[in-house]
Amino acid sequence: EIVLTQSPGTLSLSPGERATLSCRASQSVSSSFLAWYQQKPGQAPRLLIYGASYRATGIPDRFSGSGSGTDFSLTISRLEPEDFAVYYCQQYGSSSITFGQGTRLEIK
Amino acid sequence: EVQLVESGGGLVQPGRSLRLSCATSGFTFDDYAMHWVRQAPGKGLEWVSGDSWNRRHIGYADSVKGRFTMSRDNAKNSLYLQMNSLRGEDTALYYCALVYGDTNAFDIWGQGTMVTVSS
Repeated sequence: EIVLTQSPGTLSLSPGERATLSCRASQSVSSSFLAWYQQKPGQAPRLLIYGASYRATGIPDRFSGSGSGTDFSLTISRLEPEDFAVYYCQQYGSSSITFGQGTRLEIK
Repeated sequence: EVQLVESGGGLVQPGRSLRLSCATSGFTFDDYAMHWVRQAPGKGLEWVSGDSWNRRHIGYADSVKGRFTMSRDNAKNSLYLQMNSLRGEDTALYYCALVYGDTNAFDIWGQGTMVTVSS
């Protein structure tokens, strides 16, 4: 099973700032099968990024994904108030799909 | 509009069984891969079960293998999760999720159904 470790656990920033979230895999993940999700309280997760760097339908271009192999990142270029939420990375390239433990992005 | 609606959750005693349903609409059910994902209270997401990328087999997390079974009824456009030998650690909100676009990721999610395992 591929273990995904996200850092930091909590990120405190202000609106307008840039956020960078990290996701490290215990073994190499095909870039085609790395996704990022956003989850707000009381809501289901929402797909943001798939294939490591492709934005899902309707996702603003302030969200971007990058990385390959074992190191991936999600960047939010300029935080809006609605971006404060929990973010999860996911690998879906192996027979056992796994999620990272999440990064909580909170307002400073 | 694509919709996923889970049902069947509730309070169940340890060792007992429960079957969850995910009713779907707005797409050709048989053409797409689907999954179950759960989230324990205050915790992160855990993949439970789902179709392989080529739809040829169903995979399970080690934590549920041998106890849970995912199945489909194409005539009813519904996905199921039969959960046997339930444990306290199975307490969670269970989501069904659809691989709908070109993404191969979980594009669309239901709102979840809560399962509580307790005596």
